This record gives sequence, C-alpha cells and structure tokens, in this order.
Amino acid sequence: AQSVTQLDSQVPVFEEAPVELRCNYSSSVSVYLFWYVQYPNQGLQLLLKYLSGSTLVESINGFEAEFNKSQTSFHLRKPSVHISDTAEYFCAVKRTGNQFYFGTGTSLTVIP
Amino acid sequence: NAGVTQTPKFRVLKTGQSMTLLCAQDMNHEYMYWYRQDPGMGLRLIHYSVGEGTTAKGEVPDGYNVSRLKKQNFLLGLESAAPSQTSVYFCASSKELRGRGPSISNQPQHFGDGTRLSIL
Repeated sequence: AQSVTQLDSQVPVFEEAPVELRCNYSSSVSVYLFWYVQYPNQGLQLLLKYLSGSTLVESINGFEAEFNKSQTSFHLRKPSVHISDTAEYFCAVKRTGNQFYFGTGTSLTVIP
Repeated sequence: NAGVTQTPKFRVLKTGQSMTLLCAQDMNHEYMYWYRQDPGMGLRLIHYSVGEGTTAKGEVPDGYNVSRLKKQNFLLGLESAAPSQTSVYFCASSKELRGRGPSISNQPQHFGDGTRLSIL
C-alpha cells in the first residue's frame, strides 16, 4: 500500500508567485512527517519536519507545511517563490519502526 | 564536517560484474540506509541497518547485499550487476533516540550526494 502520495509530479510556477506542493499519507497511527529538497546532482536535504506540537512548521527559507490529521495531509507552501527554489521535493513519513517512506517527488520549476 | 560520504560518485559496469558501494558517516549515527532513486518512483529502500553488525531488508533488496562491520560504514554490494540496477544510489544515516520506549526514531535522515551507476 502506498504510504505517501505526492499528487503532482511537476509544478511550474512563475517567480514571486505562491506555490503549494501536495502530500497525503496513509496511516492510522501517529507519524512523523518530513519534506526534503533535492537540487540537481545532489542528495536530499531536510527542509522541515513535523514531530509533534504545533501543526504548522516553517523552514528558514520561507517554506511552511501544515500537518492536517483529519485529511492526512502535509502540504508544503511558499507565498513567493524564487528561481533558486527550482528543485525536486520529496515528502516522507516515518511510522513506528525504522523505515522512512518517500513519495515519488514533485519537480518544482520556477519560471522567470 | 563531512556528514555522509559516498564513493564512488560515478561508475559504469558490464552485466555480470560485481562491485561495492561505500558509505561513510562521521556523525556517530546508529541507523544507516541504502536507497535507489529512479525516475517517477522516488526513493526505494534497498537495505538498512539499525546498528553495527545488523542489517535488514527494505522494499527492494533482491540482487543486493550489505554489511555493517563498523558503525561508521555501510557497504552495498552487487554480486552480479544487471541493467535493471542502473540507478542513482543514495546512502543516508540517522540518529536513534534511546530511552523512549520501543525504537521509534523521529530524527531526520542525512543523505550523501549519491552514486550514479550505469550497467551496460
């Protein structure tokens, strides 16, 4: 069963426009949620994480994500994107145990 | 402050050849993982390790073997390479939080820069 679903494989957006990258997960138990970013020819870097507490989490570069338990979603948003945000974004879930489950990724392309 | 280092970065093999990919981390992390990344499929877990001397199968373990003889190193081996194993391989590590009941580590993973492997 698919644990993490990223609904959009490619998202083109104009510079300074807002963007939302969608992520839904399937789990009936508590989860930890992560967003990773991958720039070309590099490994994945942690963007932000939800472990517990406030359902809205923010990163240092303007991204934010909101944990919505009722909708089992953890969508990533940014109010105004920059060219440098062009990258592949992966949503990941970790449940009890030792394994992470990654979505198939969303390729964000920021158009000048 | 190297983090997670993968060697080699690129490699081309012929079908049937064998090779070993090396992953080294200097963060004293308990957990280490090997993934493969293929277009449209995201990251798929091959094998992982929860500590020195331990290994476990992930989602796509067939055709691969691993060893964790030292805490800082996690080796991925291909005994007889096949074209279907052409991929980008990523190693990752994460810290375990002890003393919190069953092993539930909520720490994020730290990734290497990847090894691009082509099998002809």
